Amino acid sequence: DGGITQSPKYLFRKEGQNVTLSCEQNLNHDAMYWYRQDPGQGLRLIYYSQIVNDFQKGDIAEGYSVSREKKESFPLTVTSAQKNPTAFYLCASSSGTVSYEQYFGPGTRLTVT
Amino acid sequence: DQQVKQNSPSLSVQEGRISILNCDYTNSMFDYFLWYKKYPAEGPTFLISISSIKDKNEDGRFTVFLNKSAKHLSLHIVPSQPGDSAVYFCAAKTGGGNKLTFGTGTQLKVEL
Repeated sequence: DGGITQSPKYLFRKEGQNVTLSCEQNLNHDAMYWYRQDPGQGLRLIYYSQIVNDFQKGDIAEGYSVSREKKESFPLTVTSAQKNPTAFYLCASSSGTVSYEQYFGPGTRLTVT
Repeated sequence: DQQVKQNSPSLSVQEGRISILNCDYTNSMFDYFLWYKKYPAEGPTFLISISSIKDKNEDGRFTVFLNKSAKHLSLHIVPSQPGDSAVYFCAAKTGGGNKLTFGTGTQLKVEL
């Protein structure tokens, strides 16, 4: 079964701690993306990667970091510098060449208290 | 600066009738548009797309219309079914890249 997995589904952290969200895909897609969803604000792009070992900032990259060491994996670290980390985080991937559709994972709900 | 706008946060329709979801955009460089459907606590799923060289694309019960001069697109769902109740996002892409810009979404409720 091809798809995108995100783990865990729910994550709780104390303020001041860094936390890493996992995203894995077996679709053989070159491009991967991280979005954040807040109520009434739609999906906002955090970081994206068009190819292994390369990534670019999205619209709201401050307080986040990523790595792309493998084609299948694009983990997102929410650092203590992120002022409002509580949100629903979505990972997506796309072929980047065959079509423009992005395929999304099930999301991770992060709650920081 | 919200380049993709969905001005109706919610829409309620009776089962069997037509649902029309609207989306406006400001960036004339957008050349490809997509609609996604999202259930609570799940990732969005792709529904239908349209290239800027077309004005209509149809897939089963779903039709997307694009009016470039008005910078407006709409998604028609006919007939609407209770399972269509979800949040619908429109998204747009500029040429030369794969980044999508999403609207804020419209919550569709299909009532029996």
